[in-house]
Amino acid sequence: DAKTTQPPSMDCAEGRAANLPCNHSTISGNEYVYWYRQIHSQGPQYIIHGLKNNETNEMASLIITEDRKSSTLILPHATLRDTAVYYCIVRANAGGTSYGKLTFGQGTILTVHP
Amino acid sequence: DGGITQSPKYLFRKEGQNVTLSCEQNLNHDAMYWYRQDPGQGLRLIYYSQIVNDFQKGDIAEGYSVSREKKESFPLTVTSAQKNPTAFYLCASSIVTDVTGELFFGEGSRLTVL
Repeated sequence: DAKTTQPPSMDCAEGRAANLPCNHSTISGNEYVYWYRQIHSQGPQYIIHGLKNNETNEMASLIITEDRKSSTLILPHATLRDTAVYYCIVRANAGGTSYGKLTFGQGTILTVHP
Repeated sequence: DGGITQSPKYLFRKEGQNVTLSCEQNLNHDAMYWYRQDPGQGLRLIYYSQIVNDFQKGDIAEGYSVSREKKESFPLTVTSAQKNPTAFYLCASSIVTDVTGELFFGEGSRLTVL
């Protein structure tokens, strides 16, 4: 699986958009970009994933560059409850006989302040 | 409600003792996983299982053992051979044939060796 690089920490004001970057310059054609987050002392929670098109769901938007070497997770209106560690993970499709193994790096600590 | 239940939430053990962490899921998921998390670090895969009576070593299996006698259950034993067992342990599950590869996590078990 491709390695990802994320900033160790970021701050965001409550109500503003939080833009979390991720570099994955060695990503291959069949690898998806996944985002999870982990609130302190809880299990990680799935946020969103994508292959090459931008994706949006009720939690966030995922913007993937055309060359797929980087992506940005956008939380459009951050709240205090969005304070967490955000993990960007790149992995091949888990369908069929593949295992859903994910390699979690150290992630980005996002702190949303009033 | 469907989900993953880990128990106990907190566990203390003396050096040299084995301890078993429970993980039960009622999501009818095929695959189950155990991860270890140390303070300020990402998650590292210990063991995973795609099907009953089959499991595979992850990246840090030494000092751990698992069993998968039922689809719903994937207990982890931390043996006395594990040199530094104090950590936060997370169990997860997924649908093997699901193309999203989303992992569903439990709330974790925090093990402290005294």
